[in-house]
Amino acid sequence: NAGVTQTPKFRVLKTGQSMTLLCAQDMNHEYMYWYRQDPGMGLRLIHYSVGEGTTAKGEVPDGYNVSRLKKQNFLLGLESAAPSQTSVYFCASSYPSPNPGLAGYEQYFGPGTRLTVT
Amino acid sequence: AQKVTQAQTEISVVEKEDVTLDCVYETRDTTYYLFWYKQPPSGELVFLIRRNSFDEQNEISGRYSWNFQKSTSSFNFTITASQVVDSAVYFCALSEASTGGFKTIFGAGTRLFVKA
Repeated sequence: NAGVTQTPKFRVLKTGQSMTLLCAQDMNHEYMYWYRQDPGMGLRLIHYSVGEGTTAKGEVPDGYNVSRLKKQNFLLGLESAAPSQTSVYFCASSYPSPNPGLAGYEQYFGPGTRLTVT
Repeated sequence: AQKVTQAQTEISVVEKEDVTLDCVYETRDTTYYLFWYKQPPSGELVFLIRRNSFDEQNEISGRYSWNFQKSTSSFNFTITASQVVDSAVYFCALSEASTGGFKTIFGAGTRLFVKA
């Protein structure tokens, strides 16, 4: 049971290049998330998904796209990288409460991807 | 709108001291969850505790304890007899339901240094 894994662990891009970050979870979780972590700002939600084939915008979605074609995978894409996207990216997953309308099981995080855009 | 404030940016203590990390939140929902996560120097985030808005009972787990007070919108975290291994960044987070799922807002984190 690997939990949540992220690929790659490190990446350096030049401005304007594109890339895809892969997140995989083997816990059969319904919900998956992408966050970015910047110094002094905690984690900010980029996009999330409540199930296969569905995605939604979070707090800071601009410049990113996501896809959830398979339940276990959640991809984060940068179409044209900018220096402002230099950050550490975390993927997380969780499962919804069994009671409809209630929120919040704990999230399980991947190890992070450190991205630098020059 | 959601908001989580961790006013303490950094705290430094000597081993065996007790330390309290503050968390104040804002929400208009009556149903919500509060969390604490630990991020050690290795970088991964580790879940510590979850508390729902209907359960104000304080919790103790070993050297860790949490004090949830709805009247002051606070969810503070105390480490008793701190150890060097407690050195980490600690995040408080608020989660509430929204259309199609739920969202979580994290505080900026408190960096705790425990000196031997």
